[in-house]
Amino acid sequence: NAGVTQTPKFQVLKTGQSMTLQCAQDMNHNSMYWYRQDPGMGLRLIYYSASEGTTDKGEVPNGYNVSRLNKREFSLRLESAAPSQTSVYFCASIEGTGVQPQHFGDGTRLSIL
Amino acid sequence: AQSVTQLDSQVPVFEEAPVELRCNYSSSVSVYLFWYVQYPNQGLQLLLKYLSGSTLVKGINGFEAEFNKSQTSFHLRKPSVHISDTAEYFCAVGKWGKLQFGAGTQVVVTP
Repeated sequence: NAGVTQTPKFQVLKTGQSMTLQCAQDMNHNSMYWYRQDPGMGLRLIYYSASEGTTDKGEVPNGYNVSRLNKREFSLRLESAAPSQTSVYFCASIEGTGVQPQHFGDGTRLSIL
Repeated sequence: AQSVTQLDSQVPVFEEAPVELRCNYSSSVSVYLFWYVQYPNQGLQLLLKYLSGSTLVKGINGFEAEFNKSQTSFHLRKPSVHISDTAEYFCAVGKWGKLQFGAGTQVVVTP
């Protein structure tokens, strides 16, 4: 089925460890986005990629890096995880003429101890 | 700058009763407004959107919303809810994926 796929679904890290969250979409969308969701705060934009080869900071980029590997894949990396990065992370994509994400992944639930 | 306030954190409602979820926004420019629904352990799904034109917007699953520019509101309504409407609902403002989300309203539908 077409959509946005995120891996892993769950992860527990220790403070200071690094990891990469993977996101892939098979809808040939140009734009891809990473958000984090914290209780009582809705979703906040971390980074986005308007097209292959470009990335830009969103509202809360500190502590994260991203890579737009190709048109399908957009990864989010935590270089040195901190407890404040405990959150649920969502990836989304937008089709070429759209103005809002139509398709979100099911999320990666990340706990940092 | 843009921001969104969802006025109710939780709304309990009986099955087949109507529901209204309130959303107020602030923006210094023309706005695009959205409502999303999130079922447990899933990502967000777009319910409806206001880009321009008619202020009454109809979405999926029987939901509708009315854009009120003078009151800077975009309230979501459904005339008769089902158990399956139990979920969290998010109002958002912005475009091109650079959205400001509200904190969410948890709707709990009971028989």
